[in-house]
Amino acid sequence: NAGVTQTPKFRILKIGQSMTLQCAQDMNHNYMYWYRQDPGMGLKLIYYSVGAGITDKGEVPNGYNVSRSTTEDFPLRLELAAPSQTSVYFCASSYLDGSYNEQFFGPGTRLTVL
Amino acid sequence: AQSVAQPEDQVNVAEGNPLTVKCTYSVSGNPYLFWYVQYPNRGLQFLLKYITGDNLVKGSYGFEAEFNKSQTSFHLKKPSALVSDSALYFCAVRDNTGKLIFGQGTTLQVKP
Repeated sequence: NAGVTQTPKFRILKIGQSMTLQCAQDMNHNYMYWYRQDPGMGLKLIYYSVGAGITDKGEVPNGYNVSRSTTEDFPLRLELAAPSQTSVYFCASSYLDGSYNEQFFGPGTRLTVL
Repeated sequence: AQSVAQPEDQVNVAEGNPLTVKCTYSVSGNPYLFWYVQYPNRGLQFLLKYITGDNLVKGSYGFEAEFNKSQTSFHLKKPSALVSDSALYFCAVRDNTGKLIFGQGTTLQVKP
């Protein structure tokens, strides 16, 4: 199993550009999550999904969108990049509810918006 | 307000000595608590969790955590630190909307 994979690993965007961060898992997990990690701030939940076709907002969803058309994939879309979106983004998955059970994290995408 | 706090930005310990990384929490109802570790340039990895039962929880890599309801704490411990334990450690608690709230993280530095 590859686990949770994320692409790209690094990206530099200009203000106003858009991009999609890719996330895939091969563990047949129902739950998937997107977090952002800022220095000294811990992780903040952006969006999550409890299964294909179902998504919901987390703590910091503004400026982002997600979709979940398959169990495996959970892409995160940035439409109009802003410097405040400079961060490290982590995708995670869990077989059962990840607020009670272990979440498996991808290696992260480091995004810089200039 | 529901929250989790890690009062130390960094903990330094000598190899072979016991280590403690502190975590306190504030939630309504029964707490569901987690510890995750992040090695450089990697995603977080699960160490252990407390849901209910024994106040001393054993986890991966020889780590354990002690749940103390009266002090609202969930400190991470290890009897003998290794240099390879050096990493960033996160405490997390389930809030009443079913999401995890993460602490700001504590850097553990184990020196030979």
